[in-house]
Amino acid sequence: GAGVSQSPSNKVTEKGKDVELRCDPISGHTALYWYRQRLGQGLEFLIYFQGNSAPDKSGLPSDRFSAERTGESVSTLTIQRTQQEDSAVYLCASSQRAGGSYGYTFGSGTRLTVV
Amino acid sequence: AQSVTQPDIHITVSEGASLELRCNYSYGATPYLFWYVQSPGQGLQLLLKYFSGDTLVQGIKGFEAEFKRSQSSFNLRKPSVHWSDAAEYFCAVALSGYSTLTFGKGTMLLVSP
Repeated sequence: GAGVSQSPSNKVTEKGKDVELRCDPISGHTALYWYRQRLGQGLEFLIYFQGNSAPDKSGLPSDRFSAERTGESVSTLTIQRTQQEDSAVYLCASSQRAGGSYGYTFGSGTRLTVV
Repeated sequence: AQSVTQPDIHITVSEGASLELRCNYSYGATPYLFWYVQSPGQGLQLLLKYFSGDTLVQGIKGFEAEFKRSQSSFNLRKPSVHWSDAAEYFCAVALSGYSTLTFGKGTMLLVSP
């Protein structure tokens, strides 16, 4: 597509429920990233996919967080047993290839509120 | 430890006045440097980037940034601010060969009439 698409744009969930967030990257972009942005904070790296390589999960804050991506297509970030501290905007980005020389194109994010 | 610092959390500038947003990094080598802007409810948009060469880079929307190796800085500037520039600005760095951007905590720009 023309840009990075994320859905839903807003999600309110009860504490303890599981949620799935979706990211549809730009067609042809092999690298896909998930970041978390909590109120008043910068962007916190969560996970990164590059093609069919094993993802870099080093930023996932706990085992309640997981993500999948099939090939170079859609990615899903799953948060199990949500907690109030999971409330944040979850941003997805894609880039043509991995590596610092390629800037990212970001989606508009999913605002998650855990009540 | 590697880090990116944006010392100013908030800055207020009068419309038409000049702007400078500060960014300092702590890395062993010169990283790739970026500035992004985030308008309310939106994702981040790339303003400009520096990889090598001329240390003064031009970006979109009339922004420019200057890389100063001696100061480990990459400050963002604009000669005349417009009300539509009110947004949050993020500096980011990446090391050559690394796959993720590290972001500063952001600077919120407020533009007064």
